[in-house]
Amino acid sequence: GAVVSQHPSWVICKSGTSVKIECRSLDFQATTMFWYRQFPKQSLMLMATSNEGSKATYEQGVEKDKFLINHASLTLSTLTVTSAHPEDSSFYICSAYSSRQGGTEAFFGQGTRLTVV
Amino acid sequence: KQEVTQIPAALSVPEGENLVLNCSFTDSAIYNLQWFRQDPGKGLTSLLLIQSSQREQTSGRLNASLDKSSGRSTLYIAASQPGDSATYLCAVHTGNQFYFGTGTSLTVIP
Repeated sequence: GAVVSQHPSWVICKSGTSVKIECRSLDFQATTMFWYRQFPKQSLMLMATSNEGSKATYEQGVEKDKFLINHASLTLSTLTVTSAHPEDSSFYICSAYSSRQGGTEAFFGQGTRLTVV
Repeated sequence: KQEVTQIPAALSVPEGENLVLNCSFTDSAIYNLQWFRQDPGKGLTSLLLIQSSQREQTSGRLNASLDKSSGRSTLYIAASQPGDSATYLCAVHTGNQFYFGTGTSLTVIP
């Protein structure tokens, strides 16, 4: 099946620094990528939707200047958490979806656990 | 807006029991529905995908059903094992977005 690789799997950073998370679709072209965030004991929450060739669409309450999303190519999307603070500590998961696969199945990265100290 | 609810929120069963997890959604206009498993601190593992035109899908001990008209899906796990302990999420795909349920935390007691 299709594979989505997310890197890094975990990261610890100091408050005020920026962290970049990469999401790659390894064997298919992803026309749409999603970024989710999950706080402990809560469900996944969509942060933003990134479509090929256009700016990301952010969900209400998600600061676009803080969470920079770049859908650089059909196989790569990056999420940069700028000026991270402890409240940004969370589990971030990317998902890729390609209508060109003929279906609408979502493929998920392994997730990135971000801890801001 | 689509809302996805999962019941129960938590479930604890002895090993060997069959069990059913429930997922309900408010808008029947969906493309598909997926069931996922999430282990603590890990990403999601896709278990079953049911297209909107399908009624059920089976994989090993897992069987997922879909009733679009009533906005319901169930995940049936047969002969549960301790290794099945995890959080199970259902997600509805309505177009360009996925809506996740709140999850059911399953504990299978040896």
